[in-house]
Amino acid sequence: GAGVSQSPSNKVTEKGKDVELRCDPISGHTALYWYRQRLGQGLEFLIYFQGNSAPDKSGLPSDRFSAERTGESVSTLTIQRTQQEDSAVYLCASSFRTGGTDTQYFGPGTRLTVL
Amino acid sequence: DAKTTQPPSMDCAEGRAANLPCNHSTISGNEYVYWYRQIHSQGPQYIIHGLKNNETNEMASLIITEDRKSSTLILPHATLRDTAVYYCIVRVSRATNKLIFGTGTLLAVQP
Repeated sequence: GAGVSQSPSNKVTEKGKDVELRCDPISGHTALYWYRQRLGQGLEFLIYFQGNSAPDKSGLPSDRFSAERTGESVSTLTIQRTQQEDSAVYLCASSFRTGGTDTQYFGPGTRLTVL
Repeated sequence: DAKTTQPPSMDCAEGRAANLPCNHSTISGNEYVYWYRQIHSQGPQYIIHGLKNNETNEMASLIITEDRKSSTLILPHATLRDTAVYYCIVRVSRATNKLIFGTGTLLAVQP
């Protein structure tokens, strides 16, 4: 079936504006993850969903960042009052959690540029 | 948190085997070794994972030392399309399975 999809693929915004980034996981995947990748760096974990609850939000960098998920489907990452340091590629991944090991499959990412 | 150490870059001739090393000397007994790669401007792609036995799939082989302190990813016949950053990751949290990415190895396959 289809892989993880993300929209928009690119987003340019002005400092201080709010943005919403969307992730559509692979159908049937119960777990969903958001990561951030700054230019030239590795991925940083942001938040993890199991179903529509978020047991691990430890990677969210500030209270300007929030995320929600509808059931075991779409997730939205919202960044309020964007700052230039928020510029990065935001990646979403999903997996089918079985309680043991699982494999995360990544989407293509949303490239956010804050001017 | 178990951490990994990888060389920042490697070259490989097209058609030859690429052997990418990873050190994870503080790995715990129940932590898996995962390998992902990221081709320029794309999301990371899963390659393979293992606990203590060697593993092979259609993409690669994973060799884990007996003491589990290091591993090697082997691409048996590298092609130009294998040029990417390769990440060796030790799963951190059994509860959440979040992945901790390091800086990886940039593999450049040369024609």
